[in-house]
Amino acid sequence: IAGITQAPTSQILAAGRRMTLRCTQDMRHNAMYWYRQDLGLGLRLIHYSNTAGTTGKGEVPDGYSVSRANTDDFPLTLASAVPSQTSVYFCASSPGTSGADTQYFGPGTRLTVL
Amino acid sequence: GQNIDQPTEMTATEGAIVQINCTYQTSGFNGLFWYQQHAGEAPTFLSYNVLDGLEEKGRFSSFLSRSKGYSYLLLKELQMKDSASYLCAVTGNDYKLSFGAGTTVTVRA
Repeated sequence: IAGITQAPTSQILAAGRRMTLRCTQDMRHNAMYWYRQDLGLGLRLIHYSNTAGTTGKGEVPDGYSVSRANTDDFPLTLASAVPSQTSVYFCASSPGTSGADTQYFGPGTRLTVL
Repeated sequence: GQNIDQPTEMTATEGAIVQINCTYQTSGFNGLFWYQQHAGEAPTFLSYNVLDGLEEKGRFSSFLSRSKGYSYLLLKELQMKDSASYLCAVTGNDYKLSFGAGTTVTVRA
């Protein structure tokens, strides 16, 4: 089935631990994104990649890093998790980067940092 | 920065009509999206407006006025399955989506 997959579905993590959230799409989309969603704040962009080999910072990049080695995969790493990173994380992709390109979202990863 | 406002919650009766308003102040404008998000699930695309006017898709319609920085999503003939959050998002000069906090719509029998 075409689309975006994320792993894990949920995770409980001790503060200070390193964690990588995985995201894979099979739609051959050029652009990929990572968002976090917190109650009352809506979706906020963490990092993005307009095409394989390039990445950029979004609205809330601190404490997170990404890489885009190929078209399909866009992992998000928390180098040393802190409780304020407790959130639901959504990966998304779009065919291009114009204002008209619709973003398609993965099912999300619910992360709790204790 | 980007500022996108929409009501937090709305309640309506099955079969009725609900209008969700969204106002925005952004650095440039390259389009406005509406997404639907059921509890515990991913957002899914509903509509896209870039020119002024009304776009109709079945029971859902979306309106845009660029001069007023205003949009609304109209849900007609409400069904129980329409209970969800509705997210307004705007693409600015950087071609990145900025989201409002979302409007939770509850449909009552």
